[in-house]
Amino acid sequence: DAGVTQSPTHLIKTRGQQVTLRCSPKSGHDTVSWYQQALGQGPQFIFQYYEEEERQRGNFPDRFSGHQFPNYSSELNVNALLLGDSALYLCASSLLTSSYEQYFGPGTRLTVT
Amino acid sequence: GIQVEQSPPDLILQEGANSTLRCNFSDSVNNLQWFHQNPWGQLINLFYIPSGTKQNGRLSATTVATERYSLLYISSSQTTDSGVYFCASPRGGSYIPTFGRGTSLIVHP
Repeated sequence: DAGVTQSPTHLIKTRGQQVTLRCSPKSGHDTVSWYQQALGQGPQFIFQYYEEEERQRGNFPDRFSGHQFPNYSSELNVNALLLGDSALYLCASSLLTSSYEQYFGPGTRLTVT
Repeated sequence: GIQVEQSPPDLILQEGANSTLRCNFSDSVNNLQWFHQNPWGQLINLFYIPSGTKQNGRLSATTVATERYSLLYISSSQTTDSGVYFCASPRGGSYIPTFGRGTSLIVHP
């Protein structure tokens, strides 16, 4: 049973560029959430997708956008990258009916220079 | 929104020691989860424990929802227990977990 997978593992971008991160949920899960984890902090919720729609959103600017595909996989896009966007980006999947029980992927570590 | 406080922030143990990690919430606790983040960043579900006590091997957790806290017990710690332990509980009315800042655990051989 495949768990949550994310790609790429690491990424280095320059300030002002755009980035796309990818996530495949755990088999059988229909809901994908994205989190940003800065060094020394707990994960911060960015948004959650279900049925290809953004279901909930945290306190992140519009530069952060996402998408969910019919196969439940998801992308996180960040435009106009800032140095402060450097973080570990985590994807979590769940069933909508038990969204409180989330399973996390290994993360993508983004460095903005 | 809900505030989550974890203590202690840092913990250093010798292999074989026992420890208790605590999580306090500013609002009513529901659907609480404990996670372990290994040194490579992977967050692993340890427990989903809205109330009561659960055990899994050397780990156990207790949540007292009425008093807004949860405890994670680690017995006979091993070096592989090192990492950061997070508790998380959804903000009121949502399924989105709010995480604490974690307890960083180092277990020395």
